[in-house]
Amino acid sequence: EDQVTQSPEALRLQEGESSSLNCSYTVSGLRGLFWYRQDPGKGPEFLFTLYSAGEEKEKERLKATLTKKESFLHITAPKPEDSATYLCAVQAGYGGSQGNLIFGKGTKLSVKP
Amino acid sequence: KAGVTQTPRYLIKTRGQQVTLSCSPISGHRSVSWYQQTPGQGLQFLFEYFSETQRNKGNFPGRFSGRQFSNSRSEMNVSTLELGDSALYLCASSPTGGIYGYTFGSGTRLTVV
Repeated sequence: EDQVTQSPEALRLQEGESSSLNCSYTVSGLRGLFWYRQDPGKGPEFLFTLYSAGEEKEKERLKATLTKKESFLHITAPKPEDSATYLCAVQAGYGGSQGNLIFGKGTKLSVKP
Repeated sequence: KAGVTQTPRYLIKTRGQQVTLSCSPISGHRSVSWYQQTPGQGLQFLFEYFSETQRNKGNFPGRFSGRQFSNSRSEMNVSTLELGDSALYLCASSPTGGIYGYTFGSGTRLTVV
């Protein structure tokens, strides 16, 4: 069964204290791994898509990496405005078919000034 | 460029009633997916429509249904509402689905009393 597990469930950081969020997955035929950010009362906001092991993508203070079993979202020198829930999702599929997104339950990040 | 628009934003219904939620995707996007988000289960896939055809379906009872119109707008319907249907219902659109990334709307918060 395809599944996604995120850890930790919650993370509290001081402003400037770098850390990493983990997303481990088991999926048959990975087509893509997605990272989203969700603020309270809003829909998820797309951050990155990673397609193959070894791939890395960066956006401001965020950097996402991918291996065959897990992905990390590294947050460098976070600011209070980075506080949000970060969601990881995978999409499985073979050949021309593509499945739906399977989401982890998220990591709630709080950054204190 | 307008984003994904979901209406209404909030809804309160009584157990046993039915409800229809609406989603207008980004212009040019032909794939529309629906997800249910609850604190306990996280985001769970309901169904995906592409060019007016249901392409994929999650593990939800038949009380949950949807459709897509020729202009790509989509509706989902829940009949015989139960208390457990209280959730944030999110719609996501994509040009053709999946690997190009999904853009989510802000959701419809449904409360069943």
